Amino acid sequence: DAGITQSPRHKVTETGTPVTLRCHQTENHRYMYWYRQDPGHGLRLIHYSYGVKDTDKGEVSDGYSVSRSKTEDFLLTLESATSSQTSVYFCAITAGGVNTEAFFGQGTRLTVV
Amino acid sequence: AQSVTQLDSQVPVFEEAPVELRCNYSSSVSVYLFWYVQYPNQGLQLLLKYLSGSTLVKGINGFEAEFNKSQTSFHLRKPSVHISDTAEYFCAVSKMDSNYQLIWGAGTKLIIKP
Repeated sequence: DAGITQSPRHKVTETGTPVTLRCHQTENHRYMYWYRQDPGHGLRLIHYSYGVKDTDKGEVSDGYSVSRSKTEDFLLTLESATSSQTSVYFCAITAGGVNTEAFFGQGTRLTVV
Repeated sequence: AQSVTQLDSQVPVFEEAPVELRCNYSSSVSVYLFWYVQYPNQGLQLLLKYLSGSTLVKGINGFEAEFNKSQTSFHLRKPSVHISDTAEYFCAVSKMDSNYQLIWGAGTKLIIKP
C-alpha cells in the first residue's frame, strides 16, 4: 500500500471553529489533492498542490485553505466550520499528474454540529 | 465543461453472474478515463485506466472496460462476480492537457446477492 496517512480519522466540531486536517505521505510524490465525498456527488476537488508552497483551487474551494511547507505534508484548514462542510475528506497523491495512478488515504469523517 | 454520468446508483446482481456498470462522459477534447473502486470504510484504489491504444482495457480482480469514443462511454464489466466485489465503483475523466483535474461520476454501488 502507498504510504499515505490522514489524521484525524474522525472529528466532531462545532460551527464556527477552525479545523485542520493533515495528509502525510512517504512516497515523495509531487502532486497532492484534497477531495470531499458526499452521497450522490462522487468526489469533488477542494484544493491541490503541485509542489512545496505551490497550491491552487479546485471546484469547491470556498471556506477552505491549504498549505504545503514540506513535500510530505498537505494541510487542509476549514477557517470557520459550517454544517455544509460535514463530509468525508480524502487526500490523494500522484507522481505525475492525474494521468498516473492516484493513491488515496483512508479518509477523515468530519461532522460539524 | 466536462461531466461524468454513472447511470445507475445501485446495481444488484447474483453471485457468479456477469455485471456491467455504465459510465458516460461529455467532453469536447480528448480524455483519459479511469475506474476506481472503494471498499467499505476505505479510500479509493485504481481498477483500470484508458490512456491510449487498445479500447479494451483489463484491470485488477478480473474487471475490464471498453472505451467507445463515438458513444462517449467507458463501461465496466466482469463476467462473474464474487461476494468480495461488493463495493462502490467510480468512473472518472481527465482532460489530456490537465495535470490536476479529475472529474468524477457519482458512483455505483455493486450489491452482490448470495
